[in-house]
Amino acid sequence: NAGVTQTPKFQVLKTGQSMTLQCAQDMNHNSMYWYRQDPGMGLRLIYYSASEGTTDKGEVPNGYNVSRLNKREFSLRLESAAPSQTSVYFCASSENEGRSYNSPLHFGNGTRLTVT
Amino acid sequence: GDSVTQMEGPVTLSEEAFLTINCTYTATGYPSLFWYVQYPGEGLQLLLKATKADDKGSNKGFEATYRKETTSFHLEKGSVQVSDSAVYFCALSDRDNTGKLIFGQGTTLQVKP
Repeated sequence: NAGVTQTPKFQVLKTGQSMTLQCAQDMNHNSMYWYRQDPGMGLRLIYYSASEGTTDKGEVPNGYNVSRLNKREFSLRLESAAPSQTSVYFCASSENEGRSYNSPLHFGNGTRLTVT
Repeated sequence: GDSVTQMEGPVTLSEEAFLTINCTYTATGYPSLFWYVQYPGEGLQLLLKATKADDKGSNKGFEATYRKETTSFHLEKGSVQVSDSAVYFCALSDRDNTGKLIFGQGTTLQVKP
């Protein structure tokens, strides 16, 4: 059981470069999420997709875009990377079949991104 | 908006000591509450959850009780082990059918032999 798979695991970008973080889940989950983790700030939601075909902004969406390619895959794109986007990025999924209060999130192992 | 506040760390304990990590929340509705654990180099894993007031979540010797009157969900364990060293996150889920969670800032636990 792979669960939630993120690629790449590490990435270094120069300011202004672009890249896409990939995420795929094999649990047939409806909802998917992108969080960033920064020291002392916990995890903050960037974007989420409550169901296939929908995406919505989270707490910190500026500088990012997302694509829910299909039910399995949810990618995060940085169009023009900035040093403030240096962080660890986590993708997560949940079953969330209309009872969101009872659906835990399943996390990938993260992508550590450094922007110089 | 909704928010979660955890006690600041790091928390350093000796093996077999009693653990409490405080968590309080602010929410307009009736959220579900979760504790997640993150081991070094890994993603977060669900530790336990409670979906309504007075529920007690428990797993691997950890417990937390959903206290609506004090808006708290403190994590406890009677006897910690070195293997419990990790970062612990308290989180809440609003009942808006999106499934998204709001996390606290995390508390690092270090257990020494």
